[in-house]
Amino acid sequence: GDSVTQMEGPVTLSEEAFLTINCTYTATGYPSLFWYVQYPGEGLQLLLKATKADDKGSNKGFEATYRKETTSFHLEKGSVQVSDSAVYFCALDATGANSKLTFGKGITLSVRP
Amino acid sequence: GAGVSQSPRYKVAKRGQDVALRCDPISGHVSLFWYQQALGQGPEFLTYFQNEAQLDKSGLPSDRFFAERPEGSVSTLKIQRTQQEDSAVYLCASSFRWTGKGSNVLTFGAGSRLTVL
Repeated sequence: GDSVTQMEGPVTLSEEAFLTINCTYTATGYPSLFWYVQYPGEGLQLLLKATKADDKGSNKGFEATYRKETTSFHLEKGSVQVSDSAVYFCALDATGANSKLTFGKGITLSVRP
Repeated sequence: GAGVSQSPRYKVAKRGQDVALRCDPISGHVSLFWYQQALGQGPEFLTYFQNEAQLDKSGLPSDRFFAERPEGSVSTLKIQRTQQEDSAVYLCASSFRWTGKGSNVLTFGAGSRLTVL
């Protein structure tokens, strides 16, 4: 079945460090890929998405590129801020109908001042 | 409302009790989804509605779980005879678009945390 694998966490970085969070997926067909973020005490929010191979999603300085050849969608940011501290989830939608997301386990990012 | 509202935010139930969790989606949102998030895990799909129609309930873990959305707005997730393994955060999400109609941004609520003793 469809699945998403995220790197093990948690991750702790100093402010302005470079961030990479790995995400790989298994799915039939051509899924859409997403990164969601959950700030403390808040609901999940869509951070960025990509719907086809080689698409790059970007938002708030974060980027991820849909790599079909490596079935990956790694999240990157060049310079993290304390306000980026949150839990990050990689997800896919293989239905093509945007009706059912499959999430990874999530990874907690803590950024130190 | 401005966002997806869920209540209660926290619920403690004794094993065997029935619980009901409510979701108020954003006004006018057609699609509504329920997810279950166990501790340390990502959310897992339970069921979804388009208006009042429950189009997919394949993720409901047992017949003790029941969801409804009778008027196409507010939804209730009911769990009968709760068990300890039901302890989780239950997330509701809604979307303006019909599913299957292109890019579909989900807005999630903050969740209802259920603890079964």
